[in-house]
Amino acid sequence: KAGVTQTPRYLIKTRGQQVTLSCSPISGHRSVSWYQQTPGQGLQFLFEYFSETQRNKGNFPGRFSGRQFSNSRSEMNVSTLELGDSALYLCASSFLAGDDGEQFFGPGTRLTVL
Amino acid sequence: KNEVEQSPQNLTAQEGEFITINCSYSVGISALHWLQQHPGGGIVSLFMLSSGKKKHGRLIATINIQEKHSSLHITASHPRDSAVYICAHDRGSTLGRLYFGRGTQLTVWP
Repeated sequence: KAGVTQTPRYLIKTRGQQVTLSCSPISGHRSVSWYQQTPGQGLQFLFEYFSETQRNKGNFPGRFSGRQFSNSRSEMNVSTLELGDSALYLCASSFLAGDDGEQFFGPGTRLTVL
Repeated sequence: KNEVEQSPQNLTAQEGEFITINCSYSVGISALHWLQQHPGGGIVSLFMLSSGKKKHGRLIATINIQEKHSSLHITASHPRDSAVYICAHDRGSTLGRLYFGRGTQLTVWP
């Protein structure tokens, strides 16, 4: 079974631009969570989608948004990029709705904002 | 204050040594996760446990729910175990959100 895939793996953008990151979960997984990892803040939760619905959202500004498609693939979008958005963005998928939902992580997208 | 505290922050060991990484948390949880992150960023889920003890090969994870404490042990450590080990919990929620510790950087020398 293929693992979680994320595209692109690396991305360089300039301030003010927007970016879309993609995550394909493990086949059969319906929950997709997104996380941001920076040296200063560590791993922080962005949002979680289950069956195309955002069920949970972290403390990030509205510039960070996401969606999930009917095939469970998910995208996250960051508009009006700031230097501080430079980070590793990780998505994770899980099979169950919540209880005993072990999360399987993708390789991440490393975003650099210049 | 981070609700997940890991210790030590950094750990250096010689190949073959027994390793222990500790994790303490301050809220009620449904499950505690141990994750491994290698240079380059990819994260691997090692364990998810809600009680007792689990073992995979040379790795053992234990949890004491009453004391809100978990440990990750590595027996007969090897240089390939060098990585960042991260403890995380779900704060009792079923909505796919994890709360993370800052990680323990483990370096195992041959």
